[in-house]
Amino acid sequence: QVQLVQSGSELKKPGASVKVSCKASGYIFTKYAVNWVRQAPGQGLEWMGWINTNSGDPTYAQGFRGRYVFSLDTSVNTAYLEITSLKSEDTAVYYCAREESGAYDNWGQGTLVSVTS
Amino acid sequence: SYDLTQAPSLSVSPGQTASITCSGDKLGDRFVYWFQQKTGQSPLLVIYHSIKRPSGIPERFSGSKSGNTATLTIRGTQAMDEAVYYCQAWTGTVIFGGGTKVTVL
Repeated sequence: QVQLVQSGSELKKPGASVKVSCKASGYIFTKYAVNWVRQAPGQGLEWMGWINTNSGDPTYAQGFRGRYVFSLDTSVNTAYLEITSLKSEDTAVYYCAREESGAYDNWGQGTLVSVTS
Repeated sequence: SYDLTQAPSLSVSPGQTASITCSGDKLGDRFVYWFQQKTGQSPLLVIYHSIKRPSGIPERFSGSKSGNTATLTIRGTQAMDEAVYYCQAWTGTVIFGGGTKVTVL
């Protein structure tokens, strides 16, 4: 069955970096895009962008350009989200989601990134 | 910027019908997706392409659209349906509605 398994919670200080992983299984990884979605505490869902798992080309939503990097390692069917120069406002749960024909049909369990001094 | 508007909350009695709406300019031209998110869980796709139901989603969930308003309907609402429901559309970028918290009581 399709599964997206994300890395565990992270506690970081402001200015540090974090890299969240999203390991896919149960399907051909390079046939479906991976999207990233942020959810701040008590807030709604916010689309961050997506990465083409065939070409490796990332697309970032407005507001997520500069400190955010999407990447892949297709040899281990894994997508990554790296956030640099962390700020307290980056505290959130980050989700990866598989996209099929525009639908986010499978989601990872989420990774909580906490940024505090 | 483009917004999708949802009511913040909705209460429904068990066994009754819950209708959750999502409105936005030009929504009539676009596919709408609906997600259910229970407390502490990841979002779950319950409707895609405005009216289609993924396998495994109960038949009591249905989607419709009229003009610039999309509706997620839950017929025979059960206690397990208590969750926040988000609509989503592609408008040159991906937009989520603010979510509707459905309380079953």
